[in-house]
Amino acid sequence: GAVVSQHPSRVICKSGTSVKIECRSLDFQATTMFWYRQFPKKSLMLMATSNEGSKATYEQGVEKDKFLINHASLTLSTLTVTSAHPEDSSFYICSARSHGGEKLFFGSGTQLSVL
Amino acid sequence: RKEVEQDPGPFNVPEGATVAFNCTYSNSASQSFFWYRQDCRKEPKLLMSVYSSGNEDGRFTAQLNRASQYISLLIRDSKLSDSATYLCVVTKTGNQFYFGTGTSLTVIP
Repeated sequence: GAVVSQHPSRVICKSGTSVKIECRSLDFQATTMFWYRQFPKKSLMLMATSNEGSKATYEQGVEKDKFLINHASLTLSTLTVTSAHPEDSSFYICSARSHGGEKLFFGSGTQLSVL
Repeated sequence: RKEVEQDPGPFNVPEGATVAFNCTYSNSASQSFFWYRQDCRKEPKLLMSVYSSGNEDGRFTAQLNRASQYISLLIRDSKLSDSATYLCVVTKTGNQFYFGTGTSLTVIP
């Protein structure tokens, strides 16, 4: 099946630093990728949808200047958490679908802890 | 009204039991339906697609009822390893994927 690689799997950083998370589709071209965050024992919350070569579409309440998304190629999307604060600590997961594909494939997630 | 509604549980069942989850969706234009499994601090993994004709994969059976707008997942002969959160996912046209909140299952020895 399709493989989505996400890294790093875990990040611990100081408050005020920026953190970049990468999401790669390894064996297919992902025209669309999605970024989620998940708090413990809560459901996935869609943050934004990124389309290759165009600006990401952010969900209501998600700060686009805080969570920068870049999808410059068909196999790579990045999420940068800028000036991270403790409240940004969460589990971030990306997913991807190929053009015309109906299924989602998920990265393994990134646990971000901001001290 | 939420696009997808799912009972969060938790469901605590003994090993060997049969357990069923339902998930309702609000939009009759929904096109595709899936069940995903998510273990703690892991990514969701596709368990199975759901079709009107019903589909079975070993101990797992999924069913779609378009008239009543719900999907179901039946797990027979529960194993300890089935303990996880089960997410239903409903899609519409384009990139619209909607997730249920997930149903927590714990299989007890």
